Amino acid sequence: RKEVEQDPGPFNVPEGATVAFNCTYSNSASQSFFWYRQDCRKEPKLLMSVYSSGNEDGRFTAQLNRASQYISLLIRDSKLSDSATYLCVVRENYGQNFVFGPGTRLSVLP
Amino acid sequence: EAGVTQSPTHLIKTRGQQATLRCSPISGHTSVYWYQQALGLGLQFLLWYDEGEERNRGNFPPRFSGRQFPNYSSELNVNALELEDSALYLCASGGPGGETQYFGPGTRLLVL
Repeated sequence: RKEVEQDPGPFNVPEGATVAFNCTYSNSASQSFFWYRQDCRKEPKLLMSVYSSGNEDGRFTAQLNRASQYISLLIRDSKLSDSATYLCVVRENYGQNFVFGPGTRLSVLP
Repeated sequence: EAGVTQSPTHLIKTRGQQATLRCSPISGHTSVYWYQQALGLGLQFLLWYDEGEERNRGNFPPRFSGRQFPNYSSELNVNALELEDSALYLCASGGPGGETQYFGPGTRLLVL
């Protein structure tokens, strides 16, 4: 089983739609969780960290369920500019490296 | 504040040659991470340097090596290049505590 798994995608949604990304991780000792976005042929950029209480940044909401080892990202009112690959990232603790999921590609259609 | 910089942006080599890629972290960051991203694939962790020392290594052969300099910049060396080494090589830097990492634009390596 891979350490971090994500929905295989791609997701093709119309503008204004709500889209949810799912991610599961295998290491129950993981402590830090993030969502990154990567545009085509560009470097990944940090979208948001994910906290146990859940957190929101504008149209983006991230949730963490430690018991289920599951992380989610919800995008509301999707824009054309949201089209990208969304990467789930997990880290056990400071002494360990970051583990990236394979990513889920999103295309927001006009 | 300047972000993570990488050089060169593109590199073309032939099989068997050596490639050297460079990365300068964000000022104040002490950690540098190297990743390989082959076309259409996810990021594969290569190496992590912090305070001048190698902290962790991914599942890559020994011909992938690197170092971190006293100014925290880093170099990735790939010896005996193979065709499958063609990829985007990304460097990321992390601050003290290393809670998050920020990526540079990458070096595209093409091995012919």
